[in-house]
Amino acid sequence: NAGVTQTPKFQVLKTGQSMTLQCAQDMNHNSMYWYRQDPGMGLRLIYYSASEGTTDKGEVPNGYNVSRLNKREFSLRLESAAPSQTSVYFCATEGIRAPQETQYFGPGTRLLVL
Amino acid sequence: AQSVTQLDSQVPVFEEAPVELRCNYSSSVSVYLFWYVQYPNQGLQLLLKYLSGSTLVKGINGFEAEFNKSQTSFHLRKPSVHISDTAEYFCAVSGRDSNYQLIWGAGTKLIIKP
Repeated sequence: NAGVTQTPKFQVLKTGQSMTLQCAQDMNHNSMYWYRQDPGMGLRLIYYSASEGTTDKGEVPNGYNVSRLNKREFSLRLESAAPSQTSVYFCATEGIRAPQETQYFGPGTRLLVL
Repeated sequence: AQSVTQLDSQVPVFEEAPVELRCNYSSSVSVYLFWYVQYPNQGLQLLLKYLSGSTLVKGINGFEAEFNKSQTSFHLRKPSVHISDTAEYFCAVSGRDSNYQLIWGAGTKLIIKP
């Protein structure tokens, strides 16, 4: 079992370019999350999907869109990248959306926007 | 609103010495508390969590944490660290105040000196 996979591992963009970060899981989990990690700030939630067919905004959704393609896949799209979106992006999954549940993380995507 | 404070951004400690990583949270209601670990260039994984019951929680790799409701703290401890414990450690809280979203601390880097 691969668990949670993310592609690409690393990406460099120019300001204004677009890209999609992919996340896939083989854990049969219902809930999926996108976080960004910036130095000294911990993780901040961008968007989440409690179950297939639903998505909701998190703490920092501006400049991003998401698609829950099916139960396995949850993608994050940057339509017009900005230097402020330089960060490490993590996808995480959860069996069900509940406060006591454990989240399982992918290895991350490092994004540099010039 | 809920918040999590990790008081130390870095903690250097000699190998085989004990370590304590501090975490304080703010909340007016019952919470669930988590410690996650991030090894270099990897995603996060759960170390341990407090849901209810005994205030002393044991986790993986010899770590434990104690929930102190009166001091709103959830400090992480290990009696003897190993070089393989080099990582960043994140405290997180979930509860009604945060609409049951995970709120993350900024992280503490544990640096093991040989």
